[in-house]
Order: sequence, then structure tokens, then C-alpha cells
Amino acid sequence: QVQLQESGPGLVKPSGTLSLTCTVSGGSISSSKWWSWIRQTPGQGLEWIGEIYHGGRTNYNPSLKSRVTISVDTSKDQFSLNLRSVTAADTAVYYCARASLPAAVEDYFDPWGQGILVTVSS
Amino acid sequence: IQVTQSPSSLSASVGDRVTIACRASQNLNKFLNWYQQKPGKAPKILIYAASSLQDGVPSRFSGSGSGTDFILTISSLQPEDFATYYCQQSYSTPATFGQGTRLEIK
Repeated sequence: QVQLQESGPGLVKPSGTLSLTCTVSGGSISSSKWWSWIRQTPGQGLEWIGEIYHGGRTNYNPSLKSRVTISVDTSKDQFSLNLRSVTAADTAVYYCARASLPAAVEDYFDPWGQGILVTVSS
Repeated sequence: IQVTQSPSSLSASVGDRVTIACRASQNLNKFLNWYQQKPGKAPKILIYAASSLQDGVPSRFSGSGSGTDFILTISSLQPEDFATYYCQQSYSTPATFGQGTRLEIK
């Protein structure tokens, strides 16, 4: 049973970079799956941020593409999110999740990590 | 693609039959998923491709619809079903979610 676990700082300063890591256990990140970041805010609800395949291919939500980088470390079964130039609007619970197809098109997200709250504040 | 849920909140009693609607801004064919989220937890997939029940999900949950209009039905509410429900379109990228329907105990 694959499990995902987010980790990283819970507090980031405005204009800084939000950096999170998702660790995959119970399976390999090098399986034929797509690994996503999704965030949840009270105002915007659930928002898909982007994804990566183990070979390094990425897809991003156009709304965040200019500020986002997702990378993978197959040796550690981890993938990471960097979100630059953050503001208070980026305060959210960040989840990592898996899908079998790119951007979960004709597919769905399962499983999800437990989520991590990141607050942007000075 | 925008997906809009209704109602935004709903009060019901144990044993009630409830329905939650999701309307898309364009044709999704059958590519609409339903998730359940409990406080402090991640969303959990219930129904995918409009009407397919995820393994392990109780059969009191069902989904229907195609095109732009979809329905999640809970046939007989159980205490553990009080949660927030989200629809998500999986027809095209980027994936987008409805704003949620909070199901509360009456």
C-alpha cells in the first residue's frame, strides 16, 4: 500500500520560497505514475499545482507555472515542490498525491498525503 | 473548466437519502470524480468516471450523470458520512475541483 508523507517548514516569509518534500513509501516513485502537488485554501478551495513523472517530465497549472518548480529524487523516493515569491495568498494546506495518468486526465488522485499547513507571514 | 457544486451545505439525518450536484462549464463526457474529506484529513476518492465505485467504498454511495451534469447520491446516511464532498473534473488539464458541499447532521 503506497503512502505519501509531506515535510517541510510550516512558516515562510513573504517574497521567500516555499519548499516541500513528499516521501513515497510502500512503493517506488519510479513506477509508471504521476506525482502531484495540490493545495487547499479556505478561499480558493482545492487547486492542482503541478506534477512530475519519475523521468523528470513535469506539467504545471498555468495559474502558478511562472513560480513553480517540481523535481524528483528517485534514489530517495521523494519529489519536491518549490514555490517562489510567496505571498499571504499562498498560505494553504499542501498535499502530495498520485495519479496513473498525466494531470489525472481520465483518472483520479489516490492516494494523498496527510497534508502540511504552510503559513506565509513575517 | 469550472465545476460548480450545489448546495454548498446540507443538513440531513442518519438514514436520509441525499444528493449533491456538480455542474461543469463544458462537456466532461464521463470524467468527473467525487471525493470525501473529513476535518484534518486529505480528500479520499469515492467515485471515479462519474459512476465507478472505488474499491472499499460502501455501496450506499453512487454517482450518475454525463456531459455537464453529475450527481452524488448517498442512499442511507451513516454517522461517518458527515463530511465535505468535492467533485473534480478529469476531462482536461489542469484538474479543477468544485468548491465543496458540507454535509452536516440535522
